[in-house]
Formats: sequence, C-alpha cells, structure tokens
Amino acid sequence: QVQLVQTGGGLVKPGGSLTLSCEASGFTFSDAYMSWIRQAPGKGLEWISYISSSGSYTTYSDSVRGRFTVSRDNTKDSVYLQLKSLRVEDTAVYYCARVHMVAATDWGQGTLVIVSS
Amino acid sequence: EIVLTQSPGTLSLSPGERATLSCRASESISSDYLAWYQQKPGQAPRLLIYGASSRAPGIPDRFSGSGSGTDFTLTISRLESEDSAVYYCQQSSKTFGQGTKLEIK
Repeated sequence: QVQLVQTGGGLVKPGGSLTLSCEASGFTFSDAYMSWIRQAPGKGLEWISYISSSGSYTTYSDSVRGRFTVSRDNTKDSVYLQLKSLRVEDTAVYYCARVHMVAATDWGQGTLVIVSS
Repeated sequence: EIVLTQSPGTLSLSPGERATLSCRASESISSDYLAWYQQKPGQAPRLLIYGASSRAPGIPDRFSGSGSGTDFTLTISRLESEDSAVYYCQQSSKTFGQGTKLEIK
C-alpha cells in the first residue's frame, strides 16, 4: 500500500532553517508529482509547493516563494522541503502528498514545525 | 489567483439526513481540476472526490460530487456519525477553500 513517512520538524527560532523529508513507498515514486501542504494551528489547509516527477519543474505559493525550496531524490524515493528565513507565521503542520489525477491522493502523517523565540 | 469560497461555514445535521456543501470559484475552472477532501481532528486529510465527480478508491457511494464552471457541490447522503469532519475543496492541486465543518447531532 502507499505510504508517505515524514521526518524532520521541530522547534526553530525566527530566521532559522529546517529541512523536512518525506519517504515514499508502495508506488513508482519517479512517476509521481509531489506537493507540500501546511495547516496552521486551528486553521485550514494551505498549498505551498509542487514538484514534477523529474524535479525539473517546481512552483510555490506567494507566502513561501524565495524562502522555501522543494527537491527530490528519486534514487531514495524521497521529497524534501527546505525552509529558510522562518517566521512565526510559518508555524504549522506540514504534509507531503502524492499528486495524481490533479488531486492529492495520498498524504503523509504530517510533521509539526514551531517557529518561536 | 483563483479563490475558492465554501459555504456554509458550519453545518449541523442529524444521522440519515443529506448534506449539501458548496464550493464556488472566483473564475471558471475545469471540472477535471476540482477535488474534495475530508479531514477529521488530528488526522491528515483524505481524498474523497477528484475531477469534480469521481470517487476516490474506497470512498462510499454516499459521497458524490457535481458541478462545473464556478459552482461545485459535495453531497453526502444518509449521514452517519463518522461523517463529522471538516471538508475542503481544492482546485488544480493548489488553492484550497476555507473549509466547511460538518457536525452530526
């Protein structure tokens, strides 16, 4: 079955950096587009990034463009999100998701990032 | 940027009733690009509907999606207590609506 296992996350100070990882299994990862989506405490879902199957195409929401970088390693069946210049408002649960049929068909368990001094 | 507006914000219904959730786009979108998700507290979202009307694998036929252009609807017939959740629409694997909270009395 499809599994997306996320690691990383934690407490970081404003201005700091962090890298989130998402390891996939149960499907051909190198064929899959992947997304990152976050959810601030008590709030709704916010799409933040998207990477093509080869990694040649990436896109970001306005709220994170220039600060976050998505990448992938198809030899490790993993996608990454590098978070830089973190702000208090970046505090959220971050989810990776497999994109298929123009929808997020499978989701990781989520990882909490807290930005606080 | 396309904005998705969901209504109502909260819906309170009894078991066995039908729920109708709305998602309105600020401009016309392809039906192929509209999805619906269910999220229960403490859990990751789960895909219910893709392509506006196709059920994801394992989703009961009580859940159905419809619509086109700017107006889309998620209908849940014969509500069960387990349907209590927040429901989100999403377009083009990007923008989400703000969600509708469904409470089962």
